[in-house]
Amino acid sequence: DQQVKQNSPSLSVQEGRISILNCDYTNSMFDYFLWYKKYPAEGPTFLISISSIKDKNEDGRFTVFLNKSAKHLSLHIVPSQPGDSAVYFCAASDYGGSQGNLIFGKGTKLSVKP
Amino acid sequence: NAGVMQNPRHLVRRRGQEARLRCSPMKGHSHVYWYRQLPEEGLKFMVYLQKENIIDESGMPKERFSAEFPKEGPSILRIQQVVRGDSAAYFCASSPPDRGQAFFGQGTRLTVV
Repeated sequence: DQQVKQNSPSLSVQEGRISILNCDYTNSMFDYFLWYKKYPAEGPTFLISISSIKDKNEDGRFTVFLNKSAKHLSLHIVPSQPGDSAVYFCAASDYGGSQGNLIFGKGTKLSVKP
Repeated sequence: NAGVMQNPRHLVRRRGQEARLRCSPMKGHSHVYWYRQLPEEGLKFMVYLQKENIIDESGMPKERFSAEFPKEGPSILRIQQVVRGDSAAYFCASSPPDRGQAFFGQGTRLTVV
């Protein structure tokens, strides 16, 4: 029973264009969402997060959008750069509840071509 | 401020041996999480600990796996009598008392031969 789903295992984008990575969740108790980036043989690196009280958070080239009614969030990277090529994980938590653990999606492998 | 430190980075064990994975959280962090990543899979939550307490172990296999986070020293994930299916990358993360974002270590790659 996957509570966090990333339905696209991979995405290929041309350098300079926009990358859009999608994530769906099923647990309405989730109130905090994060995106992590992971290179091979390294630990995940935090990218950007959003609280459920917001619908958008922006940090440089990275913007996360949250649609609570659709239980959907997306990460936009613009402009995409070859160094952005990595696996991107969406994660969710009910920090406001008794649990603190992050539930991760399976990841989307982004390839940015020069 | 050093990041989350995991050791060893690589661990090879024969079937039936014990594996001990260590995680030192970032300074000031009191929450530790362990995750496992199998090949071609995402990160699966295993256990969430605070100092001397297991808060949530809903992701831990019922047998052979245990975790602790003592008052002093690193958090330890212990796997007894390892089997080939335990081969995976094990990641530890820590977060500050107000939770916030979790920072990950580099992981320990366990290979059972």
